[in-house]
Amino acid sequence: DTAVSQTPKYLVTQMGNDKSIKCEQNLGHDTMYWYKQDSKKFLKIMFSYNNKELIINETVPNRFSPKSPDKAHLNLHINSLELGDSAVYFCASSHRGSEDTQYFGPGTRLTVL
Amino acid sequence: SQQGEEDPQALSIQEGENATMNCSYKTSINNLQWYRQNSGRGLVHLILIRSNEREKHSGRLRVTLDTSKKSSSLLITASRAADTASYFCATDGGGSEKLVFGKGTKLTVNP
Repeated sequence: DTAVSQTPKYLVTQMGNDKSIKCEQNLGHDTMYWYKQDSKKFLKIMFSYNNKELIINETVPNRFSPKSPDKAHLNLHINSLELGDSAVYFCASSHRGSEDTQYFGPGTRLTVL
Repeated sequence: SQQGEEDPQALSIQEGENATMNCSYKTSINNLQWYRQNSGRGLVHLILIRSNEREKHSGRLRVTLDTSKKSSSLLITASRAADTASYFCATDGGGSEKLVFGKGTKLTVNP
């Protein structure tokens, strides 16, 4: 069983489109995250949710909107995609936030043309 | 600002040799973690070391932490080709809710 899963694995789309990435964890964790990894492999946190509540919102354009329908899911919706949004997006989860190990999904490679 | 900075950025060694990667950070921490990322994959947790610990082992991995120098090292002994990956340190910034990752060290182990 996959602990943290993301769909889709690859996403190729045109500039200006709206797209969503889904994430699910079956570890029973309270905290979930979205990270962006750029072409230089720099990994930066975007959002964190704890029990469906937003607790971290880094300086991310408001074209990015996370949604957590329940504790096990954290989806990322991106409006009006731009070329600079091309990156690999990782979902992760942990039991208690930064005190604990984070478990990462396999990533979604987003390419905006 | 970014917490962890790994050094070197890239490291190439022969199978069987030891690999040492270093991480420096800027502010106080509660814990420091090391992760591995294979090409095209997500990150995998290796070791978490707390601020009151100086050394931790897990199999062929040894992590040290020097809070006075704000630095940590990851040693992989008797390396294997399968250890080829990027290695990242991550710090919690002294109790913030988030982990901040360094830029990583790309390790290549040649068979």
